[in-house]
Amino acid sequence: AQRVTQPEKLLSVFKGAPVELKCNYSYSGSPELFWYVQYSRQRLQLLLRHISRESIKGFTADLNKGETSFHLKKPFAQEEDSAMYYCALSGTSGSRLTFGEGTQLTVNP
Amino acid sequence: NAGVTQTPKFRVLKTGQSMTLLCAQDMNHEYMYWYRQDPGMGLRLIHYSVGEGTTAKGEVPDGYNVSRLKKQNFLLGLESAAPSQTSVYFCASTEYNEQFFGPGTRLTVL
Repeated sequence: AQRVTQPEKLLSVFKGAPVELKCNYSYSGSPELFWYVQYSRQRLQLLLRHISRESIKGFTADLNKGETSFHLKKPFAQEEDSAMYYCALSGTSGSRLTFGEGTQLTVNP
Repeated sequence: NAGVTQTPKFRVLKTGQSMTLLCAQDMNHEYMYWYRQDPGMGLRLIHYSVGEGTTAKGEVPDGYNVSRLKKQNFLLGLESAAPSQTSVYFCASTEYNEQFFGPGTRLTVL
């Protein structure tokens, strides 16, 4: 079975501080990992995926297969980063996603 | 392109009532999904469809039924609503493993 765990339900940082949102997964094969973001009163949207290896809005995430983690990082948080972040996994069973519980990030001025 | 749209945006039901949520996408995607979003539980898959005329159960299918009579539409039905079905419902469709979400339907069952 595949599972995604986000250990922090709430995370609060100050503007300009580094931020790391943790994501751990369990899956027996080679998964594809994603981060989705939901800004207040908006729909969920893809932030980044591990296979693209790109930085979006200053965020990066590296897949660590040894630690089965896919933590989301940003060196300098901005107030507009405040949102709900979901880590998600897609296995070999097609494009079905398994989501983590979500982390509500608040960036204080 | 409108992307993924959902109807209605809000709804209040009494226990035992029935209703249908409509999801429509204009991107010609084969795969469509229905999720429910509850605080502290993330998004949980209710049902999904891999193409017109096909449906399959997800993680939490009990109390819901779905139909995919047309490729662009995916309907979610509640035959007899219960307070435990109070939630925000999201529809999504997929292209190249990226899921595109609708704006959500906030359902309250009293």
